[in-house]
Amino acid sequence: DAKTTQPTSMDCAEGRAANLPCNHSTISGNEYVYWYRQIHSQGPQYIIHGLKNNETNEMASLIITEDRKSSTLILPHATLRDTAVYYCIPATSGTYKYIFGTGTRLKVLA
Amino acid sequence: NAGVTQTPKFQVLKTGQSMTLQCAQDMNHEYMSWYRQDPGMGLRLIHYSVGAGITDQGEVPNGYNVSRSTTEDFPLRLLSAAPSQTSVYFCASSAQEHTGELFFGEGSRLTVL
Repeated sequence: DAKTTQPTSMDCAEGRAANLPCNHSTISGNEYVYWYRQIHSQGPQYIIHGLKNNETNEMASLIITEDRKSSTLILPHATLRDTAVYYCIPATSGTYKYIFGTGTRLKVLA
Repeated sequence: NAGVTQTPKFQVLKTGQSMTLQCAQDMNHEYMSWYRQDPGMGLRLIHYSVGAGITDQGEVPNGYNVSRSTTEDFPLRLLSAAPSQTSVYFCASSAQEHTGELFFGEGSRLTVL
């Protein structure tokens, strides 16, 4: 399983884009990059995932570098409700063995 | 929409007692798993199951037993609770053919005295 490195914490002004980086330099060719977030003490919530192409959905965009050693989750217009811990998780499709790290604690400031 | 339901939400045990955390999902998902989250930490995988009758160990399986007799239910058993098992426990499920989205329950907060 690939190891990940994420900043411990970040701040972002409300209405601005939040860019959350993740380093996964040991990712293997068949591992996707998944992003989840956990708001307060709730169960984590799926955000987005990708293999090597950039992805976008109604919640966020995912930018994966060409060498796939790092990725960035982008929340285009952060709101106070986006304050949460964000987890970057490399995982092989079909294994279902998702290993969460400690994530990045994002605080959106009014 | 029920989704993933965990019971109980809160439980206090004494050291050495046993109990079962219940997890049920109504989405016909093949994959189910249990995580624990200690204060200020990320989630750690305890056990998981890819279908009825099939279970496997995660990162921190010691002290916990699981079984999967039906698609819907995936109980987590603590045979002899220890203070080190004080944590918040999350159950999650996913459709086997889908590459990614885990649906989580609301969590069960367990305190072992």
